[in-house]
Amino acid sequence: DGGITQSPKYLFRKEGQNVTLSCEQNLNHDAMYWYRQDPGQGLRLIYYSQIVNDFQKGDIAEGYSVSREKKESFPLTVTSAQKNPTAFYLCASSIVGNSQHFGDGTRLSIL
Amino acid sequence: GIQVEQSPPDLILQEGANSTLRCNFSDSVNNLQWFHQNPWGQLINLFYIPSGTKQNGRLSATTVATERYSLLYISSSQTTDSGVYFCAVAASGTYKYIFGTGTRLKVLA
Repeated sequence: DGGITQSPKYLFRKEGQNVTLSCEQNLNHDAMYWYRQDPGQGLRLIYYSQIVNDFQKGDIAEGYSVSREKKESFPLTVTSAQKNPTAFYLCASSIVGNSQHFGDGTRLSIL
Repeated sequence: GIQVEQSPPDLILQEGANSTLRCNFSDSVNNLQWFHQNPWGQLINLFYIPSGTKQNGRLSATTVATERYSLLYISSSQTTDSGVYFCAVAASGTYKYIFGTGTRLKVLA
């Protein structure tokens, strides 16, 4: 079945540690997105990519990094520079200019 | 940047009631979507509707782009409709989506 797979579903990070969240899609979509959601809040855009080997910062990119080496993969690294990383992270993909489809998310917590 | 406001912030309905959710945006858009986030956090794509009217079962949506608003109608509500409804827009010339703060809907049996 076509879809977007995020892993892991739950992730725990120690202080000072970098962690990488995986997002894979087999929908042949060109565009991919990462969002952060805090409890009771809406979604905020971290990074997005419209094409392989290119990506743009969203509204809250500080403390995060991404890569887009393959069309189907858009991993997000939460670095130690992100001081408040506890949140729900959602990945989406779309045909450029068309509707977004979301994965089931990764919940990141600090130990 | 573009501002997105949703109203009402919270809504409680009896099962079977109808409701209208509103999304206002501050600038021209080339993309607008409505989503339902269920209690498990999953975001379900309801409508891609930068303009015009669409219907899908008990749900319908209308976007009046020239007046910068969109409406989501839910008819004969069911308890499974509970959750948070978001609209998301991308300003003309970009694919950078901005989400509203959502409408939290609770449908009582």
